[in-house]
Amino acid sequence: GAVVSQHPSWVICKSGTSVKIECRSLDFQATTMFWYRQFPKQSLMLMATSNEGSKATYEQGVEKDKFLINHASLTLSTLTVTSAHPEDSSFYICSALNRAGTGELFFGEGSRLTVL
Amino acid sequence: GENVEQHPSTLSVQEGDSAVIKCTYSDSASNYFPWYKQELGKRPQLIIDIRSNVGEKKDQRIAVTLNKTAKHFSLHITETQPEDSAVYFCAASDDTGNQFYFGTGTSLTVIP
Repeated sequence: GAVVSQHPSWVICKSGTSVKIECRSLDFQATTMFWYRQFPKQSLMLMATSNEGSKATYEQGVEKDKFLINHASLTLSTLTVTSAHPEDSSFYICSALNRAGTGELFFGEGSRLTVL
Repeated sequence: GENVEQHPSTLSVQEGDSAVIKCTYSDSASNYFPWYKQELGKRPQLIIDIRSNVGEKKDQRIAVTLNKTAKHFSLHITETQPEDSAVYFCAASDDTGNQFYFGTGTSLTVIP
């Protein structure tokens, strides 16, 4: 199946710093990518939908100035957690939609963010 | 937006028994319903999916049924094995694929 790579897999940062997470579709072009947040033993909460070349669509309750999403190319979307605080500590996972193929959603490996 | 509910949240079955997980959705525009399996510390992986023009789909020990009128769909795993133990998520999306909404997940434990 298609491959989506997410980096970094784990990051620890100090409170107040910003962290960038990358999501790449390695063997297909993804016009649409999704960013999720997953708390331990809980579901995938959709944060935003990222469309290449346009502004991301954020879900209700997600601060767009806090979670900056950039989808500048057909294979790369980035999520930047700005001025991170301990409550931002979570597992962030991206997925990419392979529209040209089966229409399946492929997930990255996830990024665990720990804010001290 | 779409609201996907999933039940049960936890499920324990004896090896060899069947497991059934149920989901409901709210948006009648949704017509694509995938199921994902997430093992501990790993990414979700698609295991089966169904589109609204089909009522049932089967792949070996896994089957999914869809009742579009009632807006619910179910995952059926037969002859469960310990390696089926994982968290399972249902999801719903429309034709545009612009939004995928996930259920709350079911933690399945298959007892040897």
